[in-house]
Amino acid sequence: KQEVTQIPAALSVPEGENLVLNCSFTDSAIYNLQWFRQDPGKGLTSLLLIQSSQREQTSGRLNASLDKSSGRSTLYIAASQPGDSATYLCAGPNTDKLIFGTGTRLQVFP
Amino acid sequence: DTGVSQDPRHKITKRGQNVTFRCDPISEHNRLYWYRQTLGQGPEFLTYFQNEAQLEKSRLLSDRFSAERPKGSFSTLEIQRTEQGDSAMYLCASSLYTGTFEGYTFGSGTRLTVV
Repeated sequence: KQEVTQIPAALSVPEGENLVLNCSFTDSAIYNLQWFRQDPGKGLTSLLLIQSSQREQTSGRLNASLDKSSGRSTLYIAASQPGDSATYLCAGPNTDKLIFGTGTRLQVFP
Repeated sequence: DTGVSQDPRHKITKRGQNVTFRCDPISEHNRLYWYRQTLGQGPEFLTYFQNEAQLEKSRLLSDRFSAERPKGSFSTLEIQRTEQGDSAMYLCASSLYTGTFEGYTFGSGTRLTVV
């Protein structure tokens, strides 16, 4: 059974710091991966998706990479801002059904 | 297209009552997914459709739960004889399946409270 672990579970940092959020799958056969952001009480907003032929994706201050050999993904947030405060969720491993981790709760304070 | 729409946003019901939620996906998306999320947890897969066919159901989806997607457009999720343990956020997502991964788009969810 595929399980997803996200580390750290929570993170509180001053603004301006560069951050690394980690995601790992018990089964390393990952073909696709998507990172989401969730604000309290809201739905999920897609941040980045990595297709089977890709190893990383970038959007603005966000960069996500996927190491298929180890079943690990990293979300890098550059120059964090208070508006980045949210829960970040990773999900994989294939097109038919995304399995989610429990998320990293991020708080960025001024 | 305004994205994935879910209705209602909030539902409070008494234990034992039946409830039905609706999801309108992005119009060109052929796949539709239902997830359930409890506080502090990631979303848990319930079921998904490709067009009108229900292709997979999780063991989480007990016989009190039923989902439909008539005509391959909107979908409904019904919970019969609700229990307090059914209290959760119910999320709907849609995607365009073309053989490659195009990503999921989620709605804002329906928050169910069973009292």
